[in-house]
Amino acid sequence: QLQLQESGPGLVKPSETLSLTCTVSGGSISSSSYYWGWIRQPPGKGLEWIGSIYYSGSTYYNPSLKSRVTISVDTSKNQFSLKLSSVTAADTAVYYCARRGGATHDAFDIWGQGTMVTVSS
Amino acid sequence: DIQMTQSPSSLSASVGDRVTITCRASQSISSYLNWYQQKPGKAPKLLIYAASSLQSGVPSRFSGSGSGTDFTLTISSLQPEDFATYYCQQSYSSLVTFGQGTKVEIK
Repeated sequence: QLQLQESGPGLVKPSETLSLTCTVSGGSISSSSYYWGWIRQPPGKGLEWIGSIYYSGSTYYNPSLKSRVTISVDTSKNQFSLKLSSVTAADTAVYYCARRGGATHDAFDIWGQGTMVTVSS
Repeated sequence: DIQMTQSPSSLSASVGDRVTITCRASQSISSYLNWYQQKPGKAPKLLIYAASSLQSGVPSRFSGSGSGTDFTLTISSLQPEDFATYYCQQSYSSLVTFGQGTKVEIK
């Protein structure tokens, strides 16, 4: 069955760029039925959508983060990635990757386990 | 952006209770409304999509209803494993938004 796994540094310094990768296994990221997304959750707070990407490279970003976010896809590696620049302590959160679309009316039906990223010097 | 507002933000209930959570959208989203359950330290789990369709493997005590701007998630008989936080999310727009969450606690 399809699985998603986030990877990347757990600690990032303020003003630097946070970089995470989501590896898709058990299925192809190039399916025309799905988008692939990043969602984050600060400690003790709710879910915030960061952005989504289609296998062709089309992207949609949260307007509040758009100036700092880049999401890209590497179909040869079955991966998609997140870069968030100029991070501050407010970007400390658990970051999830997830699949969106298909038969579930564009819901996020499969999620990675999440990875905690702390922004601190 | 489409704003999603959940109520209440938290509730206390007993095992066996019927529980209802409400989600309101700032504009019509047809039936593009999804519900998730999240337990501490875990990723969210899709419960309901398209306002009322039960995701595969989800117990039938969970149900969803509504269209347009007003939606509800109902748990017909609360079980011990249902104590968690629940989020609504609209997928009408490519710019996804979540509600702020409703924490269901044990009375």
